[in-house]
Amino acid sequence: KAGVTQTPRYLIKTRGQQVTLSCSPISGHRSVSWYQQTPGQGLQFLFEYFSETQRNKGNFPGRFSGRQFSNSRSEMNVSTLELGDSALYLCASSSIQGQGVLYGYTFGSGTRLTVV
Amino acid sequence: GQQVMQIPQYQHVQEGEDFTTYCNSSTTLSNIQWYKQRPGGHPVFLIQLVKSGEVKKQKRLTFQFGEAKKNSSLHITATQTTDVGTYFCAGPYGGTSYGKLTFGQGTILTVHP
Repeated sequence: KAGVTQTPRYLIKTRGQQVTLSCSPISGHRSVSWYQQTPGQGLQFLFEYFSETQRNKGNFPGRFSGRQFSNSRSEMNVSTLELGDSALYLCASSSIQGQGVLYGYTFGSGTRLTVV
Repeated sequence: GQQVMQIPQYQHVQEGEDFTTYCNSSTTLSNIQWYKQRPGGHPVFLIQLVKSGEVKKQKRLTFQFGEAKKNSSLHITATQTTDVGTYFCAGPYGGTSYGKLTFGQGTILTVHP
């Protein structure tokens, strides 16, 4: 069973540019979440998608956006990059247990974004 | 908003010693999850606890969910060098079926051989 696949693994961008990160969840998983991980702030929730709908959004500026496609694949976009956006961006997918409870997340290896 | 506090931040042990990390939530949790992240890796799901007072074991790892469902602990017996990494607890926000997890800051475990 294939895991969560994130592309690209590494990315270097210049301040002011925009970037799109991709995530393919485990087959059958309909919930996809995105997290930003930095040494100072730890793991911070960005947003969660379920069946192409954004159900939750974290406390990030509007420069951070995402979407989910009908095949559950997801993308996140960051526009007008700032130096502080340098981080590991992690995608995670989950399946539904009984009574609608999400089971533990399977994380991808992440995209390491460096903004210079 | 929901906060999840985790202590200690760092723990250094000799191989063979026990290790415990504690997690406290500011609000009652519907469930709590534990993850392990190896250096340079990504978080890996360990376990999910749902019931009040629940205790689950995975080989040398023992997980506990408090009676009030606001705290949890992870205990490792006789640590090994393979246990090195950061251990995170995480709780869901916005109801049981919504996937917004709030993570603790993590406990970084170092095991000296």
